[in-house]
Amino acid sequence: DQQVKQNSPSLSVQEGRISILNCDYTNSMFDYFLWYKKYPAEGPTFLISISSIKDKNEDGRFTVFLNKSAKHLSLHIVPSQPGDSAVYFCAASINYKYIFGTGTRLKVLA
Amino acid sequence: GAVVSQHPSWVICKSGTSVKIECRSLDFQATTMFWYRQFPKQSLMLMATSNEGSKATYEQGVEKDKFLINHASLTLSTLTVTSAHPEDSSFYICSARSGSGHEQYFGPGTRLTVT
Repeated sequence: DQQVKQNSPSLSVQEGRISILNCDYTNSMFDYFLWYKKYPAEGPTFLISISSIKDKNEDGRFTVFLNKSAKHLSLHIVPSQPGDSAVYFCAASINYKYIFGTGTRLKVLA
Repeated sequence: GAVVSQHPSWVICKSGTSVKIECRSLDFQATTMFWYRQFPKQSLMLMATSNEGSKATYEQGVEKDKFLINHASLTLSTLTVTSAHPEDSSFYICSARSGSGHEQYFGPGTRLTVT
């Protein structure tokens, strides 16, 4: 049973526009959520995180929103840049143990 | 900061042999290290969690006698795949966490191919 789901395997966005990546989870006990970016043949790179007691966290072009009632997490990238093209994983944590989603491949078109 | 290295980056071995993968935190002390496995087009699956100086905690379904994990120091953890079989071929990634922070810092991964 997949506790963390990223239902969109891929997303294409025009450069300069907003990219919205979504993540749904089933376990209300998750206490921390994170987004990672991954290039081929590399390990994931931490992007941004949010505690379950918050509903928004912003860092530069990246904003993560958490809707606990809907068990939904989203990552907004504004403005999108070609260098943002990668696979994005959301992860949910219970007691510092991560469960990852299956990833969304973002392609930013120049 | 927060750099994690893995060695080797790729390895090919024959069935029945053992392979050791090293994970090092280069500029911080890793109180906890994690080992993941990723199948093509799938998510990262946590295999085990190891704390320095203690036995690793394995996830359900992961054979601890097959995947030996050692976390001998605050900067080094090793994963040994024993008696490797072709179905063990995968991308193995380690990560490290320092202190009480939530963020894990990942190594670049090791591609294992068993022939």
